[in-house]
Amino acid sequence: AQSVTQPDIHITVSEGASLELRCNYSYGATPYLFWYVQSPGQGLQLLLKYFSGDTLVQGIKGFEAEFKRSQSSFNLRKPSVHWSDAAEYFCAVGATGTASKLTFGTGTRLQVTL
Amino acid sequence: KAGVTQTPRYLIKTRGQQVTLSCSPISGHRSVSWYQQTPGQGLQFLFEYFSETQRNKGNFPGRFSGRQFSNSRSEMNVSTLELGDSALYLCASSYRTGNTGELFFGEGSRLTVL
Repeated sequence: AQSVTQPDIHITVSEGASLELRCNYSYGATPYLFWYVQSPGQGLQLLLKYFSGDTLVQGIKGFEAEFKRSQSSFNLRKPSVHWSDAAEYFCAVGATGTASKLTFGTGTRLQVTL
Repeated sequence: KAGVTQTPRYLIKTRGQQVTLSCSPISGHRSVSWYQQTPGQGLQFLFEYFSETQRNKGNFPGRFSGRQFSNSRSEMNVSTLELGDSALYLCASSYRTGNTGELFFGEGSRLTVL
């Protein structure tokens, strides 16, 4: 069965600092990988996705993620964090052929200090 | 265009009652998925409907059911409510099932079971 691990429950960074959120997955075949963001009281918004091809994926809001098959990782990065990035971030893996049945990690809550 | 609309946004029920939640997908989207979000279990896939047919199902008891109408609107029903059913129920739509596209999430229906 597929699974996703986000080892960091809570991360605090200063505004303007760089950010890296970790995600490790377990899946037998080539995974479909996603990062979503959830602001308080809101639904989830897709930041970026990886299906195949270039292992460095660019997303919205200046985020990027790198797929590393050898490490089973799909870490999310941003070079300079803004206060509005404070939210909860979820990594997810989808089974081949479907982007609807996702297995989510437990999430990382990002706090940004001014 | 309008996003995914979920109603009601908040509701309170007592144990043993049943509840029906509604989801209107983005216009033109034919796939609707449902997720349960709780602090303890995180985000868990409930089921997906496409063209009025259930295409995928998560590991939830039979008390959880859903349906989709010809206009792609979807409802989910939880019968014989338990305290553990208290959660944020998220609906997501996409253009079609089995694709590698983006899920668009609603803001959710927050259910409290007393």
